[in-house]
Amino acid sequence: DADVTQTPRNRITKTGKRIMLECSQTKGHDRMYWYRQDPGLGLRLIYYSFDVKDINKGEISDGYSVSRQAQAKFSLSLESAIPNQTALYFCATSDPAGERTGELFFGEGSRLTVL
Amino acid sequence: QKEVEQNSGPLSVPEGAIASLNCTYSDRGSQSFFWYRQYSGKSPELIMFIYSNGDKEDGRFTAQLNKASQYVSLLIRDSQPSDSATYLCAVDTGRRALTFGSGTRLQVQP
Repeated sequence: DADVTQTPRNRITKTGKRIMLECSQTKGHDRMYWYRQDPGLGLRLIYYSFDVKDINKGEISDGYSVSRQAQAKFSLSLESAIPNQTALYFCATSDPAGERTGELFFGEGSRLTVL
Repeated sequence: QKEVEQNSGPLSVPEGAIASLNCTYSDRGSQSFFWYRQYSGKSPELIMFIYSNGDKEDGRFTAQLNKASQYVSLLIRDSQPSDSATYLCAVDTGRRALTFGSGTRLQVQP
């Protein structure tokens, strides 16, 4: 089983719908992140959380919200999806005390299409 | 100006050649630098990290950092078709999460 699990892996929805992407991890890491990837734009940070009570906006948080339900779970919500939110979304974790500080461990990605 | 810039490529090299991937960054306070490899349809994985000026070697990979020029590069020696992927440069600017470049697509021709 993957250490960082994202659900759903693929989702097609319509404009205006509420969508939740879920992420769970078994790595025991406190730090969790949501990135989005678009062709030619690389990975852009949406939100990040360093523990259950610490949630921070990234560079492109508008239109998104998050919930850190537990150390192992970090969910991303699109309250009212729009077509330009069509992208590949990655959840990631990190361990600041790890040997390779700064290493992110990514989930397999959630491909979202908004029609 | 983007915080982390990479040439999108594709960079095409023949099998056995040296592939040179480059990255520049804008924040002089950046402390740590990372190279991630991403195969098509897969998630990124860390292959190299460097904190100090100079070279760092790991097998066929060498990361080079020049903080004065705000430049970090990745050399892949004896390139193999299995090295064909997108290489993402990432920088720790001290703002608590990594900032990524847009990636360079590498194609190694057999």
